[in-house]
Amino acid sequence: GNSVTQMEGPVTLSEEAFLTINCTYTATGYPSLFWYVQYPGEGLQLLLKATKADDKGSNKGFEATYRKETTSFHLEKGSVQVSDSAVYFCALTGYNTNAGKSTFGDGTTLTVKP
Amino acid sequence: GAVVSQHPSRVICKSGTSVKIECRSLDFQATTMFWYRQFPKKSLMLMATSNEGSKATYEQGVEKDKFLINHASLTLSTLTVTSAHPEDSSFYICSARSIPGLAGDDNEQFFGPGTRLTVL
Repeated sequence: GNSVTQMEGPVTLSEEAFLTINCTYTATGYPSLFWYVQYPGEGLQLLLKATKADDKGSNKGFEATYRKETTSFHLEKGSVQVSDSAVYFCALTGYNTNAGKSTFGDGTTLTVKP
Repeated sequence: GAVVSQHPSRVICKSGTSVKIECRSLDFQATTMFWYRQFPKKSLMLMATSNEGSKATYEQGVEKDKFLINHASLTLSTLTVTSAHPEDSSFYICSARSIPGLAGDDNEQFFGPGTRLTVL
């Protein structure tokens, strides 16, 4: 079955530091890959996505590249802000398989200190 | 576009009562809706897949008779927690997948803001 392995947290960084959160996956077929962000007490918001190999998703300074050869989708940001403090989830959805269900990683809590 | 709402956002109920949570796609039609449960500091656990006009498909270990799901229209799915107990207290999140081509790509889900259920 499909699975997502996400870098364990929590991660604590100083403002303007470089962020990497690792994500690797196992899936049949050609999944779409997603990063979601969850702020305290709220639901999930889509941060970025990539639907095929070598695609780069980007949003709000965050980037992730769909690497089929390494089955990875690592999240990066060059300079984090205090407002980026949240829980980040890597997820995949199988294309035309598994009834469109998503598989989520365990989440990584990011805290950015001023 | 592609907004999903949930109601209520918070609910507190007594043990033994039933609670209904609504999930609505506001500006698109959703062929499929998913219900998740999230424990504190944990990931999302898929409970069931809800397809309009048909019975929901439950994940292994999820009690069908306890978590009743109804997907009455292309914009509304409801989750009813029957005879709730304190261990049912959790954050319940729904997501909706649109009719292909109408919102997002085929594999994109749009998430509701979640419902915090507390059972006393």
